[in-house]
Amino acid sequence: DGGITQSPKYLFRKEGQNVTLSCEQNLNHDAMYWYRQDPGQGLRLIYYSQIVNDFQKGDIAEGYSVSREKKESFPLTVTSAQKNPTAFYLCASSMKRTPNTEAFFGQGTRLTVV
Amino acid sequence: RKEVEQDPGPFNVPEGATVAFNCTYSNSASQSFFWYRQDCRKEPKLLMSVYSSGNEDGRFTAQLNRASQYISLLIRDSKLSDSATYLCVVNVAYSGAGSYQLTFGKGTKLSVIP
Repeated sequence: DGGITQSPKYLFRKEGQNVTLSCEQNLNHDAMYWYRQDPGQGLRLIYYSQIVNDFQKGDIAEGYSVSREKKESFPLTVTSAQKNPTAFYLCASSMKRTPNTEAFFGQGTRLTVV
Repeated sequence: RKEVEQDPGPFNVPEGATVAFNCTYSNSASQSFFWYRQDCRKEPKLLMSVYSSGNEDGRFTAQLNRASQYISLLIRDSKLSDSATYLCVVNVAYSGAGSYQLTFGKGTKLSVIP
C-alpha cells in the first residue's frame, strides 16, 4: 500500500538533546512538508522541500533542521536550540507539479521533552 | 494579512443543525482548494476538494468564490461524529515553474452536541 510513514509515534527527549523524526513516503511525491501542531492550535509550517537536495524554511524553522537526500525521505531534526519542542509533528507529501493535488499526512510523532 | 484565514470557532451546534465554515485566501494565484478534517490527536485527512462550480458529497457542500477569494463548507444535519477540526487548504502556484505549494489555515473546531 502506498502511503506516508512517520516514526516513532511517541518520542521522549531530555533537554539539550537533538532528536530526529523520520518521514518516508512511497507515493512518488516530489513535495514534502513538516508541520508542528500545539494543543488546540493549527498547523505551522517548519520546513518544506519541493525537490531532492533542496528545501526551504517555513514560518517556524528556528531550532530545526532537515535534509532531502532521497525523494522518499525527509527527516526532521529537533535541535537543542529549539526552546519549546514539545508538540505534535506532522509530515505530509504532495505532487509538486499538479495543481489539483491533495496532501497526504503521516500519523504524526508526539514529542515530549522530559 | 495571513495567506489562509478561517473562522476562529469553536462552533458548538446541536445534532441535526446546519453549520457553515468560511475561509479566505490572499493569493489570487491560488489554484486549488481543499477541506480537511482532523480528529483529536490524529493526522488531517482529506474531506473534499473544492471545485469552481461547487460540489456536494452527501451532507457536505463546498463552494468557491474566486472573485471574493473565499471558500465555504456547509454541513447539513450535523451528526455527533462530525465533531472535529476542519482545515482549509489552498494550493498556490509559485516560481512560474509549474510548481505548487500547499498552505493550511489554522482550522475551525466543531462540536456537535446531543
